[in-house]
Order: sequence, then C-alpha cells, then structure tokens
Amino acid sequence: AQSVTQPDIHITVSEGASLELRCNYSYGATPYLFWYVQSPGQGLQLLLKYFSGDTLVQGIKGFEAEFKRSQSSFNLRKPSVHWSDAAEYFCAVAAYSSASKIIFGSGTRLSIRP
Amino acid sequence: EPEVTQTPSHQVTQMGQEVILRCVPISNHLYFYWYRQILGQKVEFLVSFYNNEISEKSEIFDDQFSVERPDGSNFTLKIRSTKLEDSAMYFCASSEAPGAGANVLTFGAGSRLTVL
Repeated sequence: AQSVTQPDIHITVSEGASLELRCNYSYGATPYLFWYVQSPGQGLQLLLKYFSGDTLVQGIKGFEAEFKRSQSSFNLRKPSVHWSDAAEYFCAVAAYSSASKIIFGSGTRLSIRP
Repeated sequence: EPEVTQTPSHQVTQMGQEVILRCVPISNHLYFYWYRQILGQKVEFLVSFYNNEISEKSEIFDDQFSVERPDGSNFTLKIRSTKLEDSAMYFCASSEAPGAGANVLTFGAGSRLTVL
C-alpha cells in the first residue's frame, strides 16, 4: 500500500531564504506525486505534480520539486520564500491503478520569519 | 478560474443528528470525491462518485455515510447519525476524468463539522 511521510511537522524560515520541504513515499511502482498547499480558510491548492518524464517539475508560485526514485523522495523547493508562502504543505501520492484515491502526508506547516 | 464551492463553511451539531454537507463541483467535471481531515491528522479519502454511483470508497465510509447528486449541480455528503469522531474538515473535490493518479482534482475550501 502507498504511504507518504513528511518528517518535518513545522518549519520556520526567514523571508527571502531558501526552502526545502521533505517528502518520502512508499509505493511499489512509479507513483504519481503531488504537492498541495492549504492556506488558512482555503482549500487544497495543487502546487505541482509529477507523472513521468523530467524528474524536476516546476509548479506555481515559484515552487519546484524533484523526483528521486533511488531515495523515494519528492522534495519541494523554493529559492526565496515570501511571507505569503506561510501555509500548510501536503505531499501526496496516487497509484496508477487507483481510480480515485490520493494518499496524503501529514503535512508540514511553514512559518515565515519577517 | 472555476472553483468547487462548499456549504456550510462550518456546522455545529449535536451527536446523533443528521448532517448534510453540500458541494457544487466544477460544471464540466464528471467525477466527484469527498475527503476529510480530522484536526491534526492526515487528509483521508472517503468516497468517489461517477455516473450516479459510488465508484470507490474507503473503510471509513460506513453505513452512516451516503452521497448523492440530487440535481445537475450539487453533490452532497450525508452523515446519518453523527458521532463525536465525525468532527473534521470535509473536502469536496471534482475532476474532468477519472483517476486521481492521472488527473488533477480541484478541491473546495472545506466544511468544518463540529459534533458536540
């Protein structure tokens, strides 16, 4: 069965600093991988997704993520964070064979230090 | 940009009462989903729905839960007799095509249910 681990519950970075949020997945085949962001009072917004091809994927808001099969990781990065990036970030995986089910990680809360 | 809308944003109910959470998916989407997030826990899949029937459900989605598309626009989640442990944020989502793996789900802002 698929699973997703986000080892960092809460991260604080200074505005303008770089960011990396960690995500490890467990799945027997090539997974579909996602990063979602949830701002307070908002729904889950898709930042980026990986299905196949180039292992470095670009998303919205200046985010990118790199799929590393050897490490079963899909870490999210941003070179310079803005105060508006403060939110909860969820890594997620879906199976090719699943019609519906996305498996979410437990989330990483990002705080931005002015 | 098209969005999924959910009502109510917050509902407080007494244990044992019936609750209906409503969702208006994106108009050209054909696949509908409910997920929930208990406070401090992961977002969990509940059910998917297509062509007026459930296509997949999780073990959480027991006989107390039901879904319905009563008209051409709404998609509802009913909890027949709420329990304290049903307190959670419930997210509706929709997609154009099936397969959460291959197609993007658009999520609503969620309905927070508090059971007292």
